[in-house]
Amino acid sequence: ETGVTQSPTHLIKTRGQQVTLRCSSQSGHNTVSWYQQALGQGPQFIFQYYREEENGRGNFPPRFSGLQFPNYSSELNVNALELDDSALYLCASSDTGTNSYEQYFGPGTRLTVT
Amino acid sequence: AQKVTQAQTEISVVEKEDVTLDCVYETRDTTYYLFWYKQPPSGELVFLIRRNSFDEQNEISGRYSWNFQKSTSSFNFTITASQVVDSAVYFCALIRGGGSNYKLTFGKGTLLTVNP
Repeated sequence: ETGVTQSPTHLIKTRGQQVTLRCSSQSGHNTVSWYQQALGQGPQFIFQYYREEENGRGNFPPRFSGLQFPNYSSELNVNALELDDSALYLCASSDTGTNSYEQYFGPGTRLTVT
Repeated sequence: AQKVTQAQTEISVVEKEDVTLDCVYETRDTTYYLFWYKQPPSGELVFLIRRNSFDEQNEISGRYSWNFQKSTSSFNFTITASQVVDSAVYFCALIRGGGSNYKLTFGKGTLLTVNP
């Protein structure tokens, strides 16, 4: 069974730039959720994708957007980067339909905005 | 609105001591699930346990045990005979049951340091 993978591991961007982060879900999982974890804080829910559609969104501005592909992998896009976007971005996969509610996380992408 | 509070920001113990990590939650839902995750320095969140709101039975898994009390809205985690490898940040989290939006609400985490 393949776990959740994310790329890249680390990324450094300049304020105002755009970034794309990628996530491959665990085998058999059809749902991907994205979380932002600032230093010293708990993860904050950004949004979730199920069957290629956004299935819920947290308190993040529209410049945070995403996609899910037919193979259930996903992308998180952030436009017009701000310094406060510096954080660990975590992707989690789950299987909607089993009612297990368990989310399995990838290793994260650490984004630094300068 | 849902909220998870982990009042202990940092805990430091000596190896072989027992340690309890506290978690208090708030929700208006009658069906919900509680979780504990471990985050080692590598950053990946590791799933430890899930508990649903209808099952207050305590659970033990090796050196780990969990105490769920709906009357006090608490879901505490105890590590018995702690080891250096237990050093990590531990998060308690809550998700509402039913519906299709599986948003996890996390606490701020407790940094556990186990010294040799």
